[in-house]
Amino acid sequence: EIVLTQSPGTLSLSPGEGASLSCRASQSVRKYLAWYQQRPGQAPRLLIYGASSRATGIPDRFSGSGSGTDFTLTISRLEPEDFAVYYCQEYNTPTSGTFGGGTKVDIK
Amino acid sequence: QLQLQESGPGLVKPSETLSLNCTVSGGSISATTYYWGWIRQPPGKGLEWIGTVYYSGRTYYNPSLTSRVTISVDTSKNQFSLRLNSVTAADTAVYYCARRGYDLLMFDHWGQGTLVTVSS
Repeated sequence: EIVLTQSPGTLSLSPGEGASLSCRASQSVRKYLAWYQQRPGQAPRLLIYGASSRATGIPDRFSGSGSGTDFTLTISRLEPEDFAVYYCQEYNTPTSGTFGGGTKVDIK
Repeated sequence: QLQLQESGPGLVKPSETLSLNCTVSGGSISATTYYWGWIRQPPGKGLEWIGTVYYSGRTYYNPSLTSRVTISVDTSKNQFSLRLNSVTAADTAVYYCARRGYDLLMFDHWGQGTLVTVSS
């Protein structure tokens, strides 16, 4: 079973700053990695799939990169609504679906 | 617009069976290009994939839950279901249903989630 490790656990930043979130897989998932945003009290929302493709309606301040075992979600300029928890997920096969432990982006 | 809505008891006793339904509207559960899945989130914790079902009834389960979980589909009701037996307090969580792509297997549409508490 693939294990996804996200870091840091918490990122404290100010609106307007940039954020870089990491997701590391215990074995290669090629480019089958997605990122989700979860605001308090809400369901997760798909941001990025295929490691770097933005989902429908996602602002271009969100970008994803990486392949194999190392991935990054970058938020270029934090807006107030971006303070949330972010999860990565691998989806290499229908039998997989592991999520990372999450990174919380909170207001400094 | 596609919508998914979870329904079922919010309280289940230990050792009993948790049963939830997910009703899909604005799209067909029989679409060949999608799977349908369940994910859960214990209070204050992260997300755990439970399992996935195709309209044909083919299923895939998280190995850590496979001995206790059954996911089924009812195409006549445009609905799929989750059953988790022998529950304990550790199964207390918000349970989400979601749509999963067939070729790109990420979850692209989610229900709002329903909290299920296991307690006597």
